[in-house]
Formats: sequence, structure tokens, C-alpha cells
Amino acid sequence: DTEVTQTPKHLVMGMTNKKSLKCEQHMGHRAMYWYKQKAKKPPELMFVYSYEKLSINESVPSRFSPECPNSSLLNLHLHALQPEDSALYLCASSQDRERSYNEQFFGPGTRLTVL
Amino acid sequence: AQTVTQSQPEMSVQEAETVTLSCTYDTSENNYYLFWYKQPPSRQMILVIRQEAYKQQNATENRFSVNFQKAAKSFSLKISDSQLGDTAMYFCALREYETSGSRLTFGEGTQLTVNP
Repeated sequence: DTEVTQTPKHLVMGMTNKKSLKCEQHMGHRAMYWYKQKAKKPPELMFVYSYEKLSINESVPSRFSPECPNSSLLNLHLHALQPEDSALYLCASSQDRERSYNEQFFGPGTRLTVL
Repeated sequence: AQTVTQSQPEMSVQEAETVTLSCTYDTSENNYYLFWYKQPPSRQMILVIRQEAYKQQNATENRFSVNFQKAAKSFSLKISDSQLGDTAMYFCALREYETSGSRLTFGEGTQLTVNP
């Protein structure tokens, strides 16, 4: 199984809502990532988890809250988002974060619209 | 800081022809990895090909090959016998060994359209 799955595929939320994005992989990878991608732009790194511990936070606003309950699951909790947060949110995983040749496997993304 | 530049925002090619996408980068490290990722419309990003900087031999994967020029800091992707399914956004990416941790530095991307 070389797949990263993400749910939901699409999400529309108001600025006062609380919602969560979910990401799952069963490849035994120990590094997992959240990216934000705007249309026709490259992905921007948000968070990195290594062995279930947060290792990189790219100065992301606190309205985005990541969580890694176990080595296969990664969540992104959303609260009080702004319209400019509308984007494609990608999850990725790799064997670990130390070895630079390791490929990152990407999920299909959640397309988020904030009204 | 590392940077990756893709100077061709859009390219098009006829089916069965060959096309080359360019990528230049800047890094102060001697050991690093370079990647080409493909993102088809509304589909997930997948790795096309990977090159290790200390290997002089250019990587190849079926119809995809790279021209890696370390001194010039250039890493172009050649797609031979282009197929309609190659239509996608292509991102060049750099990962340094020592300083970047998990970070992939992406270029701005090249939108490739393969025409029938």
C-alpha cells in the first residue's frame, strides 16, 4: 500500500466554524507533513511531524492546529479561518525526515473554501 | 538560502514529441537531492524522477530523463515520446542534506500541455 489518503475531499466552512482535516498512511512512514497550496503555485510547508512529534512549524497562525494521534494518522484542526485560507491542503509522508533522498508521498488533498 | 527557479511557466508539445523542462537552483551545500514532481489536473502529486548530487550519472525512468549539470546548478527534465497523460504541472524541488531538515524547496512550476 503506497497511498496517502485524505478526507474530506472538499470542505466549505464559515469563519466561525471548527472543522478537521484527516490524513492517513499505512506505509510505516515516520514523517508526515502538511502543506498549503494555492492555485498554480507550489506547495508551502506548514508542519512536519517526526515520530509523532512536531518538529517543524513554519510560523503558521494558531487557527491551524496539527495533531498526530499515532504514526499512521495526521489531523489538522481548523478554527476561525479567514477567506484567504481557502486553498488545497496536502498531506505527505516519507520514511523519515532525516534521510534527504526519501521520497515524499502526497495525498490527493482537501480543497477548502472559507466563506 | 536555497532557491529553485523554473523559468518556463507554460509549455506545450505535440503527442509523441520530446520536450525539455528547465530548472536551475542555488545551494551552498555539496550534498543534496533534486526531484521532479508531477501534479496532473485535480490529481495528486507524484514523484517523476530523483537525482543525488554526488552521482554524476543522470537519472532515467522510462521516458523521463534528467540532464544534471552540477557546476551550472542546472537540472532539466526531458520527456520523450510525450503522451496525453503527461499533461500536468511539473515542479522541480531541492532538498539539502545538512541544513534543510525535511524541507523541500519547490520551484514555481511549469504547466505542460501535450496536444493530440
